[in-house]
Amino acid sequence: GQSLEQPSEVTAVEGAIVQINCTYQTSGFYGLSWYQQHDGGAPTFLSYNALDGLEETGRFSSFLSRSDSYGYLLLQELQMKDSASYFCAVSGSSASKIIFGSGTRLSIRP
Amino acid sequence: NAGVTQTPKFQVLKTGQSMTLQCAQDMNHNSMYWYRQDPGMGLRLIYYSASEGTTDKGEVPNGYNVSRLNKREFSLRLESAAPSQTSVYFCASSGLAGGPGDTQYFGPGTRLTVL
Repeated sequence: GQSLEQPSEVTAVEGAIVQINCTYQTSGFYGLSWYQQHDGGAPTFLSYNALDGLEETGRFSSFLSRSDSYGYLLLQELQMKDSASYFCAVSGSSASKIIFGSGTRLSIRP
Repeated sequence: NAGVTQTPKFQVLKTGQSMTLQCAQDMNHNSMYWYRQDPGMGLRLIYYSASEGTTDKGEVPNGYNVSRLNKREFSLRLESAAPSQTSVYFCASSGLAGGPGDTQYFGPGTRLTVL
């Protein structure tokens, strides 16, 4: 089967940096994605890693280590609007079948 | 472009009733998905369709059926609703090629309550 683990909650201060970790177990692996979801809204795509290393998109970066079955999302220069839930997701047994983690709720303090 | 649209936005059913959730996308995507999200939880895949004419089970398919009507439309049917199916249902679509790196685009969701 497939499983993903990520912390349920993280709190950070506005302007700071926060890292959200994700470990996974899958029978196969195509890649690791990250999604953001504000309360009451739909998930929106942030990033995707298929190969080891860091991918940077503006204030957000995502890292993958395939050998460690581990990835993280790094958010820099935190803004209040970044308060949301963040989900990691893996494409494992099938290229089109994507399984989501249970999400990390990020709360930002002024 | 409307993206991914879902109807209805809200629905209340009584136990045993049936209903169909509709989803359509106008991005010419090959792959479409149905997820459910329970309060404070992640998204769980119910069914997906990698391409027109094919459907496959996800993590939690019991109690649901799907139809990929054409490339644009993917419907989810509850034949006999149960309170355990109270949830928010999201439809999503991805990619021209349907590969794992394709972004999934989500609809606004259907909030379903089964009494």
